[in-house]
Amino acid sequence: RKEVEQDPGPFNVPEGATVAFNCTYSNSASQSFFWYRQDCRKEPKLLMSVYSSGNEDGRFTAQLNRASQYISLLIRDSKLSDSATYLCVVNKILTGGGNKLTFGTGTQLKVEL
Amino acid sequence: DTGVSQDPRHKITKRGQNVTFRCDPISEHNRLYWYRQTLGQGPEFLTYFQNEAQLEKSRLLSDRFSAERPKGSFSTLEIQRTEQGDSAMYLCASSLAFATTNEKLFFGSGTQLSVL
Repeated sequence: RKEVEQDPGPFNVPEGATVAFNCTYSNSASQSFFWYRQDCRKEPKLLMSVYSSGNEDGRFTAQLNRASQYISLLIRDSKLSDSATYLCVVNKILTGGGNKLTFGTGTQLKVEL
Repeated sequence: DTGVSQDPRHKITKRGQNVTFRCDPISEHNRLYWYRQTLGQGPEFLTYFQNEAQLEKSRLLSDRFSAERPKGSFSTLEIQRTEQGDSAMYLCASSLAFATTNEKLFFGSGTQLSVL
């Protein structure tokens, strides 16, 4: 079983739609959680951190359920520019304090006119 | 440009050849990471440095792979006797060490390796 599992999609949605992505993780020792965005042939970029209390950044809302080991991302009023792959990421602290990010395979979103 | 810089952007090589990639982190960042990403997958952790010390290596990093960060600034990743399975995007990331789990990693644009 993969350490981080996501539905690969693609999710094809019309502009203005609300779309939700989910991910599950297997390592209960994971310490922090993120969503990254990756455009085609580009590097991944941090979208937002995810907290148990839930957090919102504009049209984006992320939620963590530690008991169920489940992470979600909600995008409201989707824009064409939101088309990308969204990577669910869990973090574990390494020897010396570094951060080992474990990425899911990503969920592809295509926003259409 | 003050971001993470990787060179070359693309590398095509024949099976059995050695290749070396370079990463220049953001100047004040003391941590540097190497990841590998194959098509349709998320990036996978390979190794990381704090200053010049290599503190962790993934089991993915076989004996043919070696990484260095000799002066705690730029890093190189060498692959010896390349195999077709080494074809991937090699991503470098850097960060400034904080005593928190929310340390932000900044990724470079990657080096795309194709082994023929």
